[in-house]
Amino acid sequence: NAGVTQTPKFQVLKTGQSMTLQCAQDMNHEYMSWYRQDPGMGLRLIHYSVGAGITDQGEVPNGYNVSRSTTEDFPLRLLSAAPSQTSVYFCASSYAQGTENIQYFGAGTRLSVL
Amino acid sequence: QKEVEQDPGPLSVPEGAIVSLNCTYSNSAFQYFMWYRQYSRKGPELLMYTYSSGNKEDGRFTAQVDKSSKYISLFIRDSQPSDSATYLCAMTDDKIIFGKGTRLHILP
Repeated sequence: NAGVTQTPKFQVLKTGQSMTLQCAQDMNHEYMSWYRQDPGMGLRLIHYSVGAGITDQGEVPNGYNVSRSTTEDFPLRLLSAAPSQTSVYFCASSYAQGTENIQYFGAGTRLSVL
Repeated sequence: QKEVEQDPGPLSVPEGAIVSLNCTYSNSAFQYFMWYRQYSRKGPELLMYTYSSGNKEDGRFTAQVDKSSKYISLFIRDSQPSDSATYLCAMTDDKIIFGKGTRLHILP
């Protein structure tokens, strides 16, 4: 099992450009999430999905879009990149049953917006 | 009051020492408690998880949960330079909440 795979590992964008961060998992987990991690801020939840076709907003959703057409994939779209979106982005998945929500993370995407 | 509090460190200890990492929380509904280890420029990896109160041991690592005090701990015995990382606590009720992490340096 590869676990959670994120691509690309690094990306540099110019302000106003759009892009999609890819996330795929092969553990058949229903629950997937996107986080951003900034120095001193910890992990902040952007969007999450409890299953194919179902998504919801997290703590910091503005400027990001998600969709979940399959169990395996959960892409994150930056609509019009801004310097404030410079961060490290992590995708996570879990099988979340009741309060048991043990998440497994990908290796991250480092994004710089100039 | 923040839901989960974790001292950011850095915490520097000599190799071979026992390390104690801690988190406090305010929500008594939390039931699952986890510790993640994150090496520099890597994703968080699950280290240990426990359900409700009690201790759990895995090799040099022991996770302890005290629900009456709303306090969880991770102990590392015989610490090694390879244990140098950021350690994040996490806990769940209907959502998962992460601490901001403690940076740990093990000095050779």
